Amino acid sequence: DGGITQSPKYLFRKEGQNVTLSCEQNLNHDAMYWYRQDPGQGLRLIYYSQIVNDFQKGDIAEGYSVSREKKESFPLTVTSAQKNPTAFYLCASSPTGGIGANVLTFGAGSRLTVL
Amino acid sequence: GQQVMQIPQYQHVQEGEDFTTYCNSSTTLSNIQWYKQRPGGHPVFLIQLVKSGEVKKQKRLTFQFGEAKKNSSLHITATQTTDVGTYFCAGGGFQKLVFGTGTRLLVSP
Repeated sequence: DGGITQSPKYLFRKEGQNVTLSCEQNLNHDAMYWYRQDPGQGLRLIYYSQIVNDFQKGDIAEGYSVSREKKESFPLTVTSAQKNPTAFYLCASSPTGGIGANVLTFGAGSRLTVL
Repeated sequence: GQQVMQIPQYQHVQEGEDFTTYCNSSTTLSNIQWYKQRPGGHPVFLIQLVKSGEVKKQKRLTFQFGEAKKNSSLHITATQTTDVGTYFCAGGGFQKLVFGTGTRLLVSP
C-alpha cells in the first residue's frame, strides 16, 4: 500500500534537547510538507520541499530544520531553539502536476511532548 | 498575509440534523480544498473546488465555492455519528495552501 509513514508516533523530550521526526513516503510525490497542529487550531506550515535538495520556510520555521536528500524522505528536526515545541506534527506529500496536483496526503502524525 | 477563517468553531447536533461550516478568506483563492480529521487521526482529503460558483456533492455532503472565490461552505444533510470530526478548509495553491481553523462537529445518537 502506498502512503506516508511517520515515526515515532509519540515522543517525549527534555527541554534543551533536539529531536528528529521521520517522514517517509512511497507515493512518488515530488512535494513534501511539515505542519504543526495545536489544540483547537488549524494546521500551520513549518517547511515544504518541492524537489530533492531544495526546501522553503513556511509560516513558522523558527526553531526547526529539515533536509531533503531523497525524494522519499523529509525529516524534521525540532531544535532547542523552538520555544514551545509540544504539539502534533503532521507530514504530508502531494504531486506537483497532473490529476491530484497540490492535494495533500497526510501521515498519521507524531505527537511531541516536552517535559 | 492571507488568512482563512472558519465558523463555527464547534457544533453539536443530534443525529439526523443538518450541519454547515463556512470558510472565509481575506484574499481571492485559486482553489479551495476540504479535509476531514477524525478524533485522534490525521486530515483526509475530501474534495477540491476550482471554479467560481462551483457546487459539488458527495452523497450527503455538498460543497460550494463562492462567486468571488473568497468563501466556501460544506453542508452535511442528515448527519450520522460517522460524521464526527473536525472539518478544515484550505485555500490557495501548494506553495500558499493556508488552512482554516477548522470546525469541530459532534453528533449525538
